[in-house]
Amino acid sequence: QSALTQPASVSGSPGQSITISCTGTSNDVGGYNYVSWYQQHPGKAPKLMIFDVSSRPSGVSNRFSGSKSDHTASLTISGLQAEDEAYYYCSSYTSSSTLVVFGGGTKLTVL
Amino acid sequence: EVQLLESGGGLVQPGGSLRLSCAASGFTFSSYAMNWVRQAPGKGLEWVSAISASGGSTYHADSVKGRFTTSRDNSKNTLYLQMNSLRAEDTAVYYCAKDGSSWPNNAFDPWGQGSLVTVSS
Repeated sequence: QSALTQPASVSGSPGQSITISCTGTSNDVGGYNYVSWYQQHPGKAPKLMIFDVSSRPSGVSNRFSGSKSDHTASLTISGLQAEDEAYYYCSSYTSSSTLVVFGGGTKLTVL
Repeated sequence: EVQLLESGGGLVQPGGSLRLSCAASGFTFSSYAMNWVRQAPGKGLEWVSAISASGGSTYHADSVKGRFTTSRDNSKNTLYLQMNSLRAEDTAVYYCAKDGSSWPNNAFDPWGQGSLVTVSS
């Protein structure tokens, strides 16, 4: 059981927008602005897409955006493209003895 | 170009030990915290450990605390993960990842290609 809760799967058609949620507690998502999102294609290493809740690393498309409200962080992908089909993981700093926690991952299917 | 290259993975018996290395290039290694993250076959990501830029502070997940040790040699631009008392549930691909600052702040970029550790008799 992961510390952060994500939906197992989401789907959308090309051009549409989707949002993936990531729910934690006041000890992690709700307590810190160190929330990140990673994209992982099968057989590949994860790639950072969003850090510090809503910042985008250089080179990441502006179709990807992040936000947070209370204990829930969200990743929104607009203008869905076939190449966006992948697993997405959220992670957060935590005040527990474990420094960082991940969500269980969400499989995005582009229909 | 920032590159991270893990090595040292393989097959080990339960109760055995293994040391992973992560060779870094393309950035000032001594200025950044580093992390290990693992992924069991068909499963999600699990953070394993972090080490500050100087190496003076380390953090480990509860699942590996007391068995795994994280260290770094800034003169060799290399990160290490010493794994002792290995269990079947430690079987995973282990990734090293560069953090966003000198102190762990959960911005892992980039990641290495991963090194597979299999614990089995």
